[in-house]
Amino acid sequence: EPEVTQTPSHQVTQMGQEVILRCVPISNHLYFYWYRQILGQKVEFLVSFYNNEISEKSEIFDDQFSVERPDGSNFTLKIRSTKLEDSAMYFCASRWTSYEAEAFFGQGTRLTVV
Amino acid sequence: QKEVEQDPGPLSVPEGAIVSLNCTYSNSAFQYFMWYRQYSRKGPELLMYTYSSGNKEDGRFTAQVDKSSKYISLFIRDSQPSDSATYLCAMSGEGGSEKLVFGKGTKLTVNP
Repeated sequence: EPEVTQTPSHQVTQMGQEVILRCVPISNHLYFYWYRQILGQKVEFLVSFYNNEISEKSEIFDDQFSVERPDGSNFTLKIRSTKLEDSAMYFCASRWTSYEAEAFFGQGTRLTVV
Repeated sequence: QKEVEQDPGPLSVPEGAIVSLNCTYSNSAFQYFMWYRQYSRKGPELLMYTYSSGNKEDGRFTAQVDKSSKYISLFIRDSQPSDSATYLCAMSGEGGSEKLVFGKGTKLTVNP
């Protein structure tokens, strides 16, 4: 069964460093998302991406964040200068079309900023 | 008022019980309603998906949406210990890029 794949599963980084989280969405999906979940809190939307551009972003998605689809398969989230409060699980999700709302999630990357 | 409210529990039931999980919401633009299951430190796994109002059944799981009351439910029949997880409701409006808005999740334990 097709699935969303995320790497790495766990990343530890020092405050102020840049990190890139990687995702391979389901191959025929057109809409891509990043969400995050701080421990014990709800899953929060960060950004949606369609047709090689950002469709919507949340207040959390400030200038330190960026997304890219560098080729036909990968979808990346870059955090330029990590802060302690960026520590969270980051989930990539994809969705097929605008007529099918089911979004499928990856297993997540646990980001720990020390 | 929060956009999506979900009782975080925890909820503990004996094996074989019927479980009822619920969410309320405030945004009348929501049209798509989903239930996800999440194990600790794992990604949300899609269980059920419903468009607009009505019921949907899949095996032991039934999802109900009442848009007039802005209330959605997930019922699990003949619950099993393997159903122990956190259940998240999520919803979105029309359009492909519409973000999902999640509830906080209800932690369920099914005791053998």
